[in-house]
Amino acid sequence: DTGVSQNPRHKITKRGQNVTFRCDPISEHNRLYWYRQTLGQGPEFLTYFQNEAQLEKSRLLSDRFSAERPKGSFSTLEIQRTEQGDSAMYLCASLRGTGGYTFGSGTRLTVV
Amino acid sequence: AQTVTQSQPEMSVQEAETVTLSCTYDTSESDYYLFWYKQPPSRQMILVIRQEAYKQQNATENRFSVNFQKAAKSFSLKISDSQLGDAAMYFCAYRSAGGFKTIFGAGTRLFVKA
Repeated sequence: DTGVSQNPRHKITKRGQNVTFRCDPISEHNRLYWYRQTLGQGPEFLTYFQNEAQLEKSRLLSDRFSAERPKGSFSTLEIQRTEQGDSAMYLCASLRGTGGYTFGSGTRLTVV
Repeated sequence: AQTVTQSQPEMSVQEAETVTLSCTYDTSESDYYLFWYKQPPSRQMILVIRQEAYKQQNATENRFSVNFQKAAKSFSLKISDSQLGDAAMYFCAYRSAGGFKTIFGAGTRLFVKA
């Protein structure tokens, strides 16, 4: 069990560029979540996968955001045409059963 | 919709003393889970303690314990014998038993004085 891994740790991009983040969950965990956290706030739910199926997507997730989890393993979160308001920490978490989340270290996105 | 409220943006405690962080939540459901998570500066968030709503007994994990008052929809975290390593943001969180996502409060920043 190597925990939840997220890459990259930091990403600086120019406004209008596309970015992609990756999350590798704990292998036995069938549920995977993406959250967004801005400074001084709690994490906000973005989307949820059970195995490879994306079962829920927050209204926070505009059409510029897309997430995938091919074969129910790792997941990617892509943001197209980034805006300054997208600057945040993007957290991935995995879960099995009714316990608490195991979080990754997050990807900090800065849009300049 | 369920909400989680942490009314203390910041708290401080002297090393070796006890501190209590407050959390209230709103839900119309009867079966759910409550959590406290810890997020140290620049480090990943970790689970501190978990409470099942149908259990009356308050959860305890070493120096961390909760006071769960279901009727009052209150879920406070008590940290005993505070240590410097306890300094972090603490988030209270809620998940419906039949739900898929966890809802977080805005957090309480805890400072520990040596």
